Amino acid sequence: QSALTQPPSASGSPGQSVTISCTGTSSDVGGYNYVSWYQQHPGKAPKLMIYEVNKRPSGVPDRFSGSKSANTASLTVSGLQAEDEADYYCGSYAGSSNLVFGGGTKLTVL
Amino acid sequence: QVQLVESGGGVVQPGRSLRLSCAASGFTFSSSAMHWVRQAPGKGLEWMTVISNDGNYENYADSVKDRFTISRDNSENTLYLQVNSLRAEDTAIYYCARGTNNWWYFDLWGRGTLVTVSS
Repeated sequence: QSALTQPPSASGSPGQSVTISCTGTSSDVGGYNYVSWYQQHPGKAPKLMIYEVNKRPSGVPDRFSGSKSANTASLTVSGLQAEDEADYYCGSYAGSSNLVFGGGTKLTVL
Repeated sequence: QVQLVESGGGVVQPGRSLRLSCAASGFTFSSSAMHWVRQAPGKGLEWMTVISNDGNYENYADSVKDRFTISRDNSENTLYLQVNSLRAEDTAIYYCARGTNNWWYFDLWGRGTLVTVSS
């Protein structure tokens, strides 16, 4: 149950797009379409932003989108806004009733 | 109001035990699989355990297997985590989270309860 690999940091200016990657293996990200993404502001609980690779829960802006290719999932934030500055975590089902998270990416809006 | 509220955290000596609780309200608790996720100070999220909606199935991450036990009381809309033989590395915020229909993503989180293991 090794953690998924995310870049520690990402940044962009307001209005720009940023993509955060999440790399696993064929036993987790590559093996299932159960990849999710969570946003966490300092001192707050995580919030679901994307589920099943590319689906958005009600209330999440369509500026947030997800995709997957082989063992790597990606979260793209378009039209960056100041409130998007937060930590982002990917999560994936890893078989045998286990789940694994990524190490997290700190997104900075310049 | 749909919410999860954790309690039971605190400062505990190494080797001791704690029972964490998560009170659910505003939704049909007995229909949802439930999870515990923890976050060490300044670190990332770590999935620990899941329990089925009826309590008949549970599973654990290797890091907590044999020391932690998840349970639930659907009549009281409450989820529990029994944590034994605590170690310094168990210091973290412990979140309960609701699993969705396929169990493996979390659409509702509590605010967490802090467990500090220190002598």
